[in-house]
Amino acid sequence: GAVVSQHPSRVICKSGTSVKIECRSLDFQATTMFWYRQFPKQSLMLMATSNEGSKATYEQGVEKDKFLINHASLTLSTLTVTSAHPEDSSFYICSAREVYEQYFGPGTRLTVT
Amino acid sequence: RKEVEQDPGPFNVPEGATVAFNCTYSNSASQSFFWYRQDCRKEPKLLMSVYSSGNEDGRFTAQLNRASQYISLLIRDSKLSDSATYLCVVRGGADGLTFGKGTHLIIQP
Repeated sequence: GAVVSQHPSRVICKSGTSVKIECRSLDFQATTMFWYRQFPKQSLMLMATSNEGSKATYEQGVEKDKFLINHASLTLSTLTVTSAHPEDSSFYICSAREVYEQYFGPGTRLTVT
Repeated sequence: RKEVEQDPGPFNVPEGATVAFNCTYSNSASQSFFWYRQDCRKEPKLLMSVYSSGNEDGRFTAQLNRASQYISLLIRDSKLSDSATYLCVVRGGADGLTFGKGTHLIIQP
């Protein structure tokens, strides 16, 4: 199957700093990428849908100015958590769609202290 | 009402037993249905798609009932390695996937 990578896999940062997470489709081109967030013992929640070359579509309740998404190429999307706070600590997972299948990255565990 | 509902469990099942999970979804316009498996602190991985006619993949059988809006997953001859969280997932149109909270399965030796 197709491979999606994420970097970093784990990050610890101080409150108020910004963190960038990269999501890459390694062996296919993904016109659409998705960003999810998962809190402990909760389901994955879609944060935003990102289409290459256009602005991301954010789900209700997700602040677009706080979670900046850039999808500049068919193989790379980035999520920047700006001015992170402890309540942003979560497991962030990206996925990329190839035709009808969606493939997930390994996730990034963000801890804000 | 939640979009995708599952019994969170945990289901404690002896090795070799058969176990079944159900899931209900609220959006009647949903088009695609899946079961994903998620191991602790890992990303979800596709286990199988679910078709209206029902489908089987080895020890796993999935069924879809559109009229009642529920999806089922049956695991036969369960193995220790089947211990995981099983996520019921629904997609409607071009949007991303909607996940249930998952059902936690523990296979006991």
